[in-house]
Amino acid sequence: AQKVTQAQTEISVVEKEDVTLDCVYETRDTTYYLFWYKQPPSGELVFLIRRNSFDEQNEISGRYSWNFQKSTSSFNFTITASQVVDSAVYFCALLSYNTDKLIFGTGTRLQVFP
Amino acid sequence: SQTIHQWPATLVQPVGSPLSLECTVEGTSNPNLYWYRQAAGRGLQLLFYSVGIGQISSEVPQNLSASRPQDRQFILSSKKLLLSDSGFYLCAWIPPGFSYEQYFGPGTRLTVT
Repeated sequence: AQKVTQAQTEISVVEKEDVTLDCVYETRDTTYYLFWYKQPPSGELVFLIRRNSFDEQNEISGRYSWNFQKSTSSFNFTITASQVVDSAVYFCALLSYNTDKLIFGTGTRLQVFP
Repeated sequence: SQTIHQWPATLVQPVGSPLSLECTVEGTSNPNLYWYRQAAGRGLQLLFYSVGIGQISSEVPQNLSASRPQDRQFILSSKKLLLSDSGFYLCAWIPPGFSYEQYFGPGTRLTVT
């Protein structure tokens, strides 16, 4: 069975703090893809990143960074120097190579206070 | 450019009434299309997906149905709405070429009263 777990339901931080959102996944497939999406208050899901199962290199994009570790089946997302505009619900998702179906976690609501 | 539209943005319907939500994609052809539902405070649940005109796969048995009458049009319907159908409905698409990245529309917020 495939599953994505985001154990943190809600996180609150003060602006400029660093924050890490956890994501743990389960799959028996050897080829799969992991994603992070951001859902601001407007509701639309915004694609942030995709990682392939055979590429464990960490990625940095501005204040965002992602740590992919197959050994622990985790794909964590860190926001450095958080800003109020980062306030949103963040979803981690898994897609196996054999299917076109994204499996979403339940999301983590991040609130950044000024 | 490639864009995805959903209509309407918000909808309030009484229990037992019909439903029709529309999703259209511009600037591409033969996309994979998806319907998701997000209940309040919950994650996303895949309802239907389509890999081509007239090809619909259902993920969850319920009183909803989907159709794809044209290449870039995906419609979610119901003959009789239930209270439990309330939620945020999102349409998504994958561009041809199998990039695996799904891009989402702005969503329709449905309230069944």
